Amino acid sequence: QVQLQESGPGLVKPSETLSLTCTVSNGSISNSYWTWIRQSPGKGLEWIGYVYYFGGRSTNYNPSLKSRVTISVDASKNQFSLKLTSVTAADTAVYYCARGKGTDWNTFDLWGQGTMVTVSS
Amino acid sequence: DIQMTQSPSTLSASVGDRVTITCRASQSVGTWLAWYQQKPGKAPRLLMYDASNMESGVPSRFSGSGSGTEFTLTISSLQPDDSATYYCQQYHTYRTFGQGTKVEIK
Repeated sequence: QVQLQESGPGLVKPSETLSLTCTVSNGSISNSYWTWIRQSPGKGLEWIGYVYYFGGRSTNYNPSLKSRVTISVDASKNQFSLKLTSVTAADTAVYYCARGKGTDWNTFDLWGQGTMVTVSS
Repeated sequence: DIQMTQSPSTLSASVGDRVTITCRASQSVGTWLAWYQQKPGKAPRLLMYDASNMESGVPSRFSGSGSGTEFTLTISSLQPDDSATYYCQQYHTYRTFGQGTKVEIK
């Protein structure tokens, strides 16, 4: 079955850019909404945004993070990625990649195991 | 932002008990509401969508109801495996989650 796996640095310095990748295994990256969600003790679960790949691509971001977030896709590698710029301690969280259920981004039926990212000097 | 508020934050119940968790939205979300179950160290698992539709593979003791601003998740007969934290999520406007309800077994 389709599986998701996050990868990337577990420690990022303040003011730098957080970069994570999610690899989609045993399935196509086309025609699904690929999403990043994070979870911290302070803010709970927070939807970050999605990328939808259909040959072209479409993105949508949480307005509170929009100025700092880019989500992209590399179809040749069956991966999608998150970049979050100018990080602070408030960005410390477990970051999950997830798939929108069916053909929309309403709910999330497949999740990666999550990766802990700490922002600290 | 649509704010989602769950109650209680924690509940403790015995095996076999009927358990109800409430989720309130700061404005109407229709039936655009989902429930997730999360166990320690694991990702959330989708349980319910469209307020009352059960995801495939979810035990029938789980049910959801509500519309507008008030929703409930009910476990009809609590089982040891149901020990977890439960989250509601609205998808009317962007996506926001409740703060969670931790269910403990007495």
